[in-house]
Amino acid sequence: GNSVTQMEGPVTLSEEAFLTINCTYTATGYPSLFWYVQYPGEGLQLLLKATKADDKGSNKGFEATYRKETTSFHLEKGSVQVSDSAVYFCALSDQTGNQFYFGTGTSLTVIP
Amino acid sequence: DSGVTQTPKHLITATGQRVTLRCSPRSGDLSVYWYQQSLDQGLQFLIQYYNGEERAKGNILERFSAQQFPDLHSELNLSSLELGDSALYFCASSARGGAQETQYFGPGTRLLVL
Repeated sequence: GNSVTQMEGPVTLSEEAFLTINCTYTATGYPSLFWYVQYPGEGLQLLLKATKADDKGSNKGFEATYRKETTSFHLEKGSVQVSDSAVYFCALSDQTGNQFYFGTGTSLTVIP
Repeated sequence: DSGVTQTPKHLITATGQRVTLRCSPRSGDLSVYWYQQSLDQGLQFLIQYYNGEERAKGNILERFSAQQFPDLHSELNLSSLELGDSALYFCASSARGGAQETQYFGPGTRLLVL
């Protein structure tokens, strides 16, 4: 069946460090892939998405590329800020749009 | 602010009881989703509605049910509550429920079953 596996946290980085959060998926067909972010006490909000192979999603300095050959959608940012401290979720929507799968979430803390 | 509202914010109840969680989608969105977020199981998709009709089911227990009303708001009913039902319940909405659409999440309802 479909699933999403993401890197376990928590992750602690110093400000301006490079961030990678790994995400791999299992799916049939052509799913859409998403990264959502959850700030403390809030609901999830979309960070970026990619809907077909080789697409790169980007937003607020974050990037992720939909790699079908490695079934991956790793999240990267070149220089993190304290305000990036949050929980990040990798998610998959199957090609029918009828099933949605989220990873377990990776907590990121950025220290000054 | 995503534009999705959920009430109540917090709910404390006892085992065996029944509760109703309410969600109003973003203006213009026709599709509503319900999710359960717990420490041991992460974020799990429960059910999706589109324009009043059930469209997709995920890991929703038989004790749980939902509906979407003509004004597009949705309610999630949880009955015969167990301790393990304690979790954060999120509602999300999207324009038409398509696979590539962004889902906009509400702030959640935190349910504690004692």
